[in-house]
Amino acid sequence: ETGVTQTPRHLVMGMTNKKSLKCEQHLGHNAMYWYKQSAKKPLELMFVYSLEERVENNSVPSRFSPECPNSSHLFLHLHTLQPEDSALYLCASSLSDGELFFGEGSRLTVL
Amino acid sequence: GEDVEQSLFLSVREGDSSVINCTYTDSSSTYLYWYKQEPGAGLQLLTYIFSNMDMKQDQRLTVLLNKKDKHLSLRIADTQTGDSAIYFCAEIPIGNQGGKLIFGQGTELSVKP
Repeated sequence: ETGVTQTPRHLVMGMTNKKSLKCEQHLGHNAMYWYKQSAKKPLELMFVYSLEERVENNSVPSRFSPECPNSSHLFLHLHTLQPEDSALYLCASSLSDGELFFGEGSRLTVL
Repeated sequence: GEDVEQSLFLSVREGDSSVINCTYTDSSSTYLYWYKQEPGAGLQLLTYIFSNMDMKQDQRLTVLLNKKDKHLSLRIADTQTGDSAIYFCAEIPIGNQGGKLIFGQGTELSVKP
């Protein structure tokens, strides 16, 4: 238990669906991140929010839309995804430049 | 560009030592990390080393850093079946904002009884 909770743990969706992934931390951290983990590829940083403001986009496709309503919650809204978007999506949080604490991930399958 | 490379697989027998290797490109990195990912779980920080150190030991774990060759290794002594996991090497290059780790692909360690 790292203090970072992600829901749902598993999600199957069609290409026309709209769904959201949720991440929650109560560690008092002020930065939150979305990473994408695909098989045999390096972890890809998708979004960084620091003090609730997005500071990094990394040219992620617009079908992924993040939302950070407060320092404890982070969402990843998904719409019109492609099968190649199937992956493990990991949320992490940190205190400024400190170490990252990861959630257990949301396994997404796009049919 | 920034790049961290690892071999994808390592298989050892229980009780043997495991050595997981990593090469990185940014010599200005101040911290280098090892993360462990057990099946079905997220990543957990295993250990880290400051760039001004050559070696760090923590119980069964030994981290060696060769800055000249930009090579980092993680040695696990007396490897147990519970050590089976994917191990990620990561760095924070200078100029990256806090937490923007650059990860390798991960090395899957398989420990056979």
